[in-house]
Amino acid sequence: QKEVEQDPGPLSVPEGAIVSLNCTYSNSAFQYFMWYRQYSRKGPELLMYTYSSGNKEDGRFTAQVDKSSKYISLFIRDSQPSDSATYLCAMSFGSSNTGKLIFGQGTTLQVKP
Amino acid sequence: NAGVTQTPKFQVLKTGQSMTLQCAQDMNHNSMYWYRQDPGMGLRLIYYSASEGTTDKGEVPNGYNVSRLNKREFSLRLESAAPSQTSVYFCASRLAGGPGDIQYFGAGTRLSVL
Repeated sequence: QKEVEQDPGPLSVPEGAIVSLNCTYSNSAFQYFMWYRQYSRKGPELLMYTYSSGNKEDGRFTAQVDKSSKYISLFIRDSQPSDSATYLCAMSFGSSNTGKLIFGQGTTLQVKP
Repeated sequence: NAGVTQTPKFQVLKTGQSMTLQCAQDMNHNSMYWYRQDPGMGLRLIYYSASEGTTDKGEVPNGYNVSRLNKREFSLRLESAAPSQTSVYFCASRLAGGPGDIQYFGAGTRLSVL
């Protein structure tokens, strides 16, 4: 079993839809949780980061962490064609000085006009 | 803002050839990482350098070597390329002690081994 599981999709939605992307994890020692967005043939870029349970909002994006269920989510409101990308969740232990991240497999999202 | 710069962007090798992928960051970050990305596999860590002067194996180190040349530069070497090393390679860097363990990525090197 992978430490971090993410449904690879692909996920296709109409413009304006609410999108929910999810990851589950098995190691309760993870402290930091990140979402990266990767456009086709580009490098991943940080979208959101959080370190505690609860919600964090940034414009149309909301990151949610439920440590008791070992489950994180990224919600995209009013989705746009420009949101079409692969979304990768990532986690780290925080207490280590290595800074290693464990990534999910990535979910490919297509937003149709 | 350059950030993390990787060279080359594309490369085609024949089986058995060697090559070095270059990575440089201008953010004064302490830690640097090399990943490979294959379809359906996400990002897998090959090697990392937590600080200048140190390197350690990641999840998939076989067939690779690395050199942390200085604080800015971290290179990845394939001594004898194999078709299984066809992949997209990403370099990343992190500021130790910064918020979370956020890593910043380069644009990638697309490598094909024939």
